[in-house]
Amino acid sequence: ILNVEQSPQSLHVQEGDSTNFTCSFPSSNFYALHWYRWETAKSPEALFVMTLNGDEKKKGRISATLNTKEGYSYLYIKGSQPEDSATYLCASAGGETSGSRLTFGEGTQLTVNP
Amino acid sequence: GAGVSQSPRYKVAKRGQDVALRCDPISGHVSLFWYQQALGQGPEFLTYFQNEAQLDKSGLPSDRFFAERPEGSVSTLKIQRTQQEDSAVYLCASSRTLDYEQYFGPGTRLTVT
Repeated sequence: ILNVEQSPQSLHVQEGDSTNFTCSFPSSNFYALHWYRWETAKSPEALFVMTLNGDEKKKGRISATLNTKEGYSYLYIKGSQPEDSATYLCASAGGETSGSRLTFGEGTQLTVNP
Repeated sequence: GAGVSQSPRYKVAKRGQDVALRCDPISGHVSLFWYQQALGQGPEFLTYFQNEAQLDKSGLPSDRFFAERPEGSVSTLKIQRTQQEDSAVYLCASSRTLDYEQYFGPGTRLTVT
């Protein structure tokens, strides 16, 4: 994998459903994996920064896991609420690039219907 | 506390005009990044500053793009002779050091007509 890839591109769920998204990234020269939540007309909000293989992080109903050996991360949302509707971006620091410049995926657009 | 701010939030420019986009990072943040997000794409790296030094400008798409951070705080991204393909959201982010998470501003949406 040369680029950061996210799937699905968009997702529509009902309130109360649990859901998850995938982020694939270059596993060579890995440094860190970031997850952001971006609502329209607002600043992208940092959710998690993960660096260690096997890392699991949680913030309220949202959690994320990291596998640096195979180059993927999952983001889980338990009991989705309408206010969870946003674009979820993952970004890798490292890989083909140096330093902390982030390489982003195209995002997963989540819509939670009440 | 104040986050990263950007101005203007929206800019419409006629093709060929020069534009200047401003970023006010979080006070004390050493690192500052600019990203460009075209419609339907993820943000793409443009350039990076550590204090006033521009350490990486490899993502700037052409020599029409110029960024500066003369006093190590506020940064300006300038685009000369704008083209339609420059239409995008321009995001600024700052971090305490190179190894910390990046805090983003709300972006400037540039439309070139």
